[in-house]
Amino acid sequence: GDSVTQMEGPVTLSEEAFLTINCTYTATGYPSLFWYVQYPGEGLQLLLKATKADDKGSNKGFEATYRKETTSFHLEKGSVQVSDSAVYFCALLGASGGSNYKLTFGKGTLLTVNP
Amino acid sequence: DTGVSQDPRHKITKRGQNVTFRCDPISEHNRLYWYRQTLGQGPEFLTYFQNEAQLEKSRLLSDRFSAERPKGSFSTLEIQRTEQGDSAMYLCARDAGGGTGELFFGEGSRLTVL
Repeated sequence: GDSVTQMEGPVTLSEEAFLTINCTYTATGYPSLFWYVQYPGEGLQLLLKATKADDKGSNKGFEATYRKETTSFHLEKGSVQVSDSAVYFCALLGASGGSNYKLTFGKGTLLTVNP
Repeated sequence: DTGVSQDPRHKITKRGQNVTFRCDPISEHNRLYWYRQTLGQGPEFLTYFQNEAQLEKSRLLSDRFSAERPKGSFSTLEIQRTEQGDSAMYLCARDAGGGTGELFFGEGSRLTVL
């Protein structure tokens, strides 16, 4: 079945540091890939997505590139801010008929950014 | 505002009791999802509705769980004879449209079973 593996957290960075959160996936066909974010006290919200190989999703300074050859979708940001402190979830939407209606999430990575 | 309201936000109950959660999406007649999130884990799919029809149920949804969506508007998730293992955050989400994986989540209903 479909699965998503994220790097273990927590991750603690200083403001303006470079961020990478690794995500790899297992799925049949060509799934769509997502990063969702959960800020403290708030619900999950979509951060960015990519629907086909080599697509780059971007939002709020975050980027992730859909790499079919390495089955990866790593999240990056060049300069993090305190306000980026949150839990980040990598997710996929299956391409096959049996799984193309539900998201499969990774376990999440807690990011704390210190001033 | 994600356009998804969930009630109650927190529920503490004793083992063996029944609980019901409600989800109100801002728009009707599209896909509505229920997920469960336990501590340190990502959300896990439970079930989804297309309008009032429940089209898929996860194996996580034992026969103690039942979900409904009458008239394709709000949805309820009932857990009968709760167990301590049911303690989790129950998330409701509406589809942005077209089954693209873009979901708008509510803030969740946290269940604690003592």
